[in-house]
Amino acid sequence: SQTIHQWPATLVQPVGSPLSLECTVEGTSNPNLYWYRQAAGRGLQLLFYSVGIGQISSEVPQNLSASRPQDRQFILSSKKLLLSDSGFYLCAWNLRETEAFFGQGTRLTVV
Amino acid sequence: DAKTTQPPSMDCAEGRAANLPCNHSTISGNEYVYWYRQIHSQGPQYIIHGLKNNETNEMASLIITEDRKSSTLILPHATLRDTAVYYCIVRVLQTGANNLFFGTGTRLTVIP
Repeated sequence: SQTIHQWPATLVQPVGSPLSLECTVEGTSNPNLYWYRQAAGRGLQLLFYSVGIGQISSEVPQNLSASRPQDRQFILSSKKLLLSDSGFYLCAWNLRETEAFFGQGTRLTVV
Repeated sequence: DAKTTQPPSMDCAEGRAANLPCNHSTISGNEYVYWYRQIHSQGPQYIIHGLKNNETNEMASLIITEDRKSSTLILPHATLRDTAVYYCIVRVLQTGANNLFFGTGTRLTVIP
């Protein structure tokens, strides 16, 4: 069966520090991969999506970036975090014909 | 970029049916209606989807109007554990990943 792993679950980082959130999927091949952010009390904002290795599309310009070094690995990064980067970050995957499956999320607090 | 409109919040008494509306007036003929829900501090969970026929599964029923411009998710007997934010999205299957947009959803509160 397919599973999605996202870590860490919680993270507290100082302003200006780098960020690396990792997401991996097991049990499937060539999935679409997504990073979402959810600010407190808000809906899900699509940040990046990827249809294949090295293929990244950005939906919202910001100081975050994403990479897909392997088929089932999706990484969200920042060189210098801002206070406004705080939020709940969710990774998700799907195949073209299926519903999306979400990880359990990372709660990032930038202090 | 979400192409759906939902009320921001709703209440429902425990044991009663919860009917969550969604407007998608610009839906295309090949777009499906999907429903997800997100319980606090967890990742969203898929509930149900449909194209034009009504659908039912163990979690809920989906009623799509004949013109497909709106739909209703029905939780037949709401429980306290159904308290969550419910998202309605439309997407085309068999395409790339550029159509998985969520809006702000409806916050359903089930009241004892």
